[in-house]
Amino acid sequence: AQSVTQPDIHITVSEGASLELRCNYSYGATPYLFWYVQSPGQGLQLLLKYFSGDTLVQGIKGFEAEFKRSQSSFNLRKPSVHWSDAAEYFCAVGGGSYIPTFGRGTSLIVHP
Amino acid sequence: NAGVTQTPKFRVLKTGQSMTLLCAQDMNHEYMYWYRQDPGMGLRLIHYSVGEGTTAKGEVPDGYNVSRLKKQNFLLGLESAAPSQTSVYFCASNALASTDTQYFGPGTRLTVL
Repeated sequence: AQSVTQPDIHITVSEGASLELRCNYSYGATPYLFWYVQSPGQGLQLLLKYFSGDTLVQGIKGFEAEFKRSQSSFNLRKPSVHWSDAAEYFCAVGGGSYIPTFGRGTSLIVHP
Repeated sequence: NAGVTQTPKFRVLKTGQSMTLLCAQDMNHEYMYWYRQDPGMGLRLIHYSVGEGTTAKGEVPDGYNVSRLKKQNFLLGLESAAPSQTSVYFCASNALASTDTQYFGPGTRLTVL
């Protein structure tokens, strides 16, 4: 069975600082990996996704993520965080069934 | 393109009342999903559908029913609401099941008193 772990429930960073949100997955074959963002009071929106090819993928809003098969990880990064990046971030894995598996989310708090 | 829309946006029910949440998508997607989101619990799948006329149970189906009579609509029903069903409900759809991007609606905030 596939699973996703986001080890950090909350992350606090200062505006302008770099960011890395962790995601570890368990899946038997090559996974389809996603990062979604949920702004307060809204639905989830895709940030980026990985299917194959280059292991460093670029997304919207200046985010990127790196797929590391040896570590079963798909961590999300941003070099300089803006106050508007404060949101809930979800990692997800798909491929084995009709149903994608979501992590429990990481809440990003940005201090001015 | 409106994408995925949900009706209503907010609702307050009394215990035992019934209601139906409507999800509509205009992207001709085959797959549709209903989730609930509770603090600290992430997204939990209630029911899903792999095509018109089909439905299947997800992780937390008890107390809910669904129907997919038209490809573009996916209805979630609560026959007898309970306080434990107080939550934010999200509908999502995609074209290629779990290997494809999911498109989410804006959510319905339901409170059961």
